Amino acid sequence: QSVLTQPPSASGTPGQRVTISCSGSSSNIGSNYVYWYQQLPGTAPKLLIYRNNQRPSGVPDRFSGSKSGTSASLAISGLRSEDEADYYCAAWDDSLSGPNYVFGTGTKVTVL
Amino acid sequence: QVQLQESGPGLVKPSQTLSLTCTVSGGSISSGSYYWSWIRQPAGKGLEWIGRIYISGSTNYNPSLKSRVTISVDTSKNQFSLKLSSVTAADTAVYYCASFMSTTGTGPWGQGTLVTVSS
Repeated sequence: QSVLTQPPSASGTPGQRVTISCSGSSSNIGSNYVYWYQQLPGTAPKLLIYRNNQRPSGVPDRFSGSKSGTSASLAISGLRSEDEADYYCAAWDDSLSGPNYVFGTGTKVTVL
Repeated sequence: QVQLQESGPGLVKPSQTLSLTCTVSGGSISSGSYYWSWIRQPAGKGLEWIGRIYISGSTNYNPSLKSRVTISVDTSKNQFSLKLSSVTAADTAVYYCASFMSTTGTGPWGQGTLVTVSS
């Protein structure tokens, strides 16, 4: 089961700003980088944010990430219809069994 | 540009072993820059990390799957593989192979392959 908690859904109208939260603990978000993925229907996840707030080449600057303590957030500004997708946060978890890459529960973003 | 492609049976019987291969093209699996991983996603559900391997052969597995998982690498074929033993219907999912650059955590994923566990 997921150890990172996200709201199941978020929505906004075109042009609005939407924020998705991701809550973890000291063993994952609190001590490691956060990553964010976008998954369009029927496709593989695509990395949107790495190392808390860095964007890979080609990802629009409408997407931004932040982290504070054991929580992180993804913000989508200037919401567009093509942003309608599932979004997942992820982080390494320093478990007793060794490093474990944990994903969030996922948030479905709807563009109204 | 590195690309990944999963292959393997789409149907596996309960209690048997699921075996998948990921072929890496456009780059060498031996480059040492990446960790090679497997991730799965049951239909309509979230993502679950299965494990990773480094070119040295060092592996890390999801604790919840560790007793049933083996990830290995074949440098001569530029491939890495997943074996999941004693499968049940709960192992039915789309399985993705993915690369994670050791410095940034970025890297391409495969398109995914659906594996159904059913008799």
